[in-house]
Amino acid sequence: DVKVTQSSRYLVKRTGEKVFLECVQDMDHENMFWYRQDPGLGLRLIYFSYDVKMKEKGDIPEGYSVSREKKERFSLILESASTNQTSMYLCASSLGSSSNYGYTFGSGTRLTVV
Amino acid sequence: GQQVMQIPQYQHVQEGEDFTTYCNSSTTLSNIQWYKQRPGGHPVFLIQLVKSGEVKKQKRLTFQFGEAKKNSSLHITATQTTDVGTYFCAGSPTGNQFYFGTGTSLTVIP
Repeated sequence: DVKVTQSSRYLVKRTGEKVFLECVQDMDHENMFWYRQDPGLGLRLIYFSYDVKMKEKGDIPEGYSVSREKKERFSLILESASTNQTSMYLCASSLGSSSNYGYTFGSGTRLTVV
Repeated sequence: GQQVMQIPQYQHVQEGEDFTTYCNSSTTLSNIQWYKQRPGGHPVFLIQLVKSGEVKKQKRLTFQFGEAKKNSSLHITATQTTDVGTYFCAGSPTGNQFYFGTGTSLTVIP
């Protein structure tokens, strides 16, 4: 089974801290994604990457950056955490376009910024 | 920008009743996917539809893709308590980036 592993299940950070959320997948998927999930808003795409060292902005990239130095790892960075970034963060990976296997999601990181 | 709307937001049903969630896109989609997220869990891929008018079944679940490829539905026959969760559609205009709907949260009352 494809596995997407997120480094932390729960995280509490202070306002202004730099926060790193790590995501690793073990099935050689080209595509990786970062979403945040908030009640009533569904899943909103922050950033995605189709290849190593490649990154594209999603719908809500403000306040975030990403890094993909290796194919299996996709990191989300909150440069200066703010309370409105308190959310559930989901990492996902997929094969190439039009895959019949959809996205495989990690278990999520629930981030609280105080 | 691309929008995928999903209704209803919440649905409570008695066990054994049917359930349907609807997904509508502002633009024509190349393909649409459906996911289920159990309470406290993460979204899990259920199925992908790519053809106009396509209908697929998975046991008690029936998925449809509209003729115009701008809407889709998921129907569950005779719900069970194991069906509890949030169902998301995700549509893509190109087959690459998918836009998720806001989800329908299903509660099944025993």
